[in-house]
Amino acid sequence: DAKTTQPPSMDCAEGRAANLPCNHSTISGNEYVYWYRQIHSQGPQYIIHGLKNNETNEMASLIITEDRKSSTLILPHATLRDTAVYYCIVRATGTASKLTFGTGTRLQVTL
Amino acid sequence: DGGITQSPKYLFRKEGQNVTLSCEQNLNHDAMYWYRQDPGQGLRLIYYSQIVNDFQKGDIAEGYSVSREKKESFPLTVTSAQKNPTAFYLCASSDRFGNNAEAFFGQGTRLTVV
Repeated sequence: DAKTTQPPSMDCAEGRAANLPCNHSTISGNEYVYWYRQIHSQGPQYIIHGLKNNETNEMASLIITEDRKSSTLILPHATLRDTAVYYCIVRATGTASKLTFGTGTRLQVTL
Repeated sequence: DGGITQSPKYLFRKEGQNVTLSCEQNLNHDAMYWYRQDPGQGLRLIYYSQIVNDFQKGDIAEGYSVSREKKESFPLTVTSAQKNPTAFYLCASSDRFGNNAEAFFGQGTRLTVV
């Protein structure tokens, strides 16, 4: 599985959009980009995933660059409850693969 | 309810004792995973299993052992050989293949060795 790089921390004001970047420059053609978040002392929660098209669900939007070497998770109106560690991972499909997490981005949403 | 269950939530053991952490899922997932998380750190993969009766070492397997005798269950044993076992342990499961292989996590077991 390709390695990802994320900033260690970010701040966002409540009500504003939070844009969390992820670099995955060595991504392969069959690897999806997945985002999870972990609120303190809980198990990580799935947010969204995509291959090459932008994706949106009730939680967030995922923007993947045309060359697929980076992506951005967008929380359109961040709330205090969105304070968490956000993990970006890439994972191949069509093959059995291990699921490897990096250190993630700690997002702090403030008043 | 469908999901993945870890038990117990908190576990205390004396140094030198083996301890087994339970992980059960009723999502019919083939793949299961064990992670360790230390304070302020990310998740590190201990072991994973893609199918019953088969499992592979992750990045930090030393001092741990697993079994996968049933699809629903993937217990983790922390042995006395693990030099620093106090940590937060997370279990996950996912489809083995497919385009929607998001992982589902349990709520974790916090192990303290005294």
